[in-house]
Amino acid sequence: EVQLVESGGGIVQRGGSLRLSCAVSGLTFSKYWMHWVRQGPGQGLVWVARINTDGSSRSYVDSVKGRFTVSRDNAKSTLYLQINSLTDEDTARYYCATVEGSRIADGFSYWGQGTPVTVSS
Amino acid sequence: DIQMTQSPSSLSAYVGDTITITCRASEDITNFLAWYQQKPGKPPRLLISAASTLQPGIPSRFSGSGYGTDFTLTITSLQPEDVATYYCQKYLSVPWTFAQGTKVEIK
Repeated sequence: EVQLVESGGGIVQRGGSLRLSCAVSGLTFSKYWMHWVRQGPGQGLVWVARINTDGSSRSYVDSVKGRFTVSRDNAKSTLYLQINSLTDEDTARYYCATVEGSRIADGFSYWGQGTPVTVSS
Repeated sequence: DIQMTQSPSSLSAYVGDTITITCRASEDITNFLAWYQQKPGKPPRLLISAASTLQPGIPSRFSGSGYGTDFTLTITSLQPEDVATYYCQKYLSVPWTFAQGTKVEIK
């Protein structure tokens, strides 16, 4: 069974930093491109970032470029999202997700339960 | 960036009705489109990929169609368990943008 388990969320002050983790099991992590998606309270889904299998290619939505960094540790089957200079707009539940069968592009078959991030003043 | 727009933003229908949600891309995305269902407190569930390919385990009352810029998700014989918010998403080229969603309720 494929499992994605996010952790690291919490309440953080505006301007602060946080590192989210996503532990993956049930698939060969090193073969999968991985993504982060967030959802603000009562809001829709926003694709945030993507990283390729060896970490050499990373992409971000414009609103987080320069503040967020996606990375991975294939030996630990773990995906990370470093979030810096937090603003109120970053308050959201953060999901990690990936596609079926290690394809590069497809719908997200696998999702974690998400980890909540709340930015406070 | 390519923009994704869904309509309507919400709808209410009777059990047994057929409903259609539309999704429009601001540029041609061929068939690189997915549909998701999300229930409160849960992560999204992939229903359809490649615009029309039903995922394993998804009931056959769900179907998708379209190519290029215009796409539809159809639910035939709406069931109470279909109450949820539905999202379309374009993929392949970044950003993998989601549309704003359609909330489906039962009358």
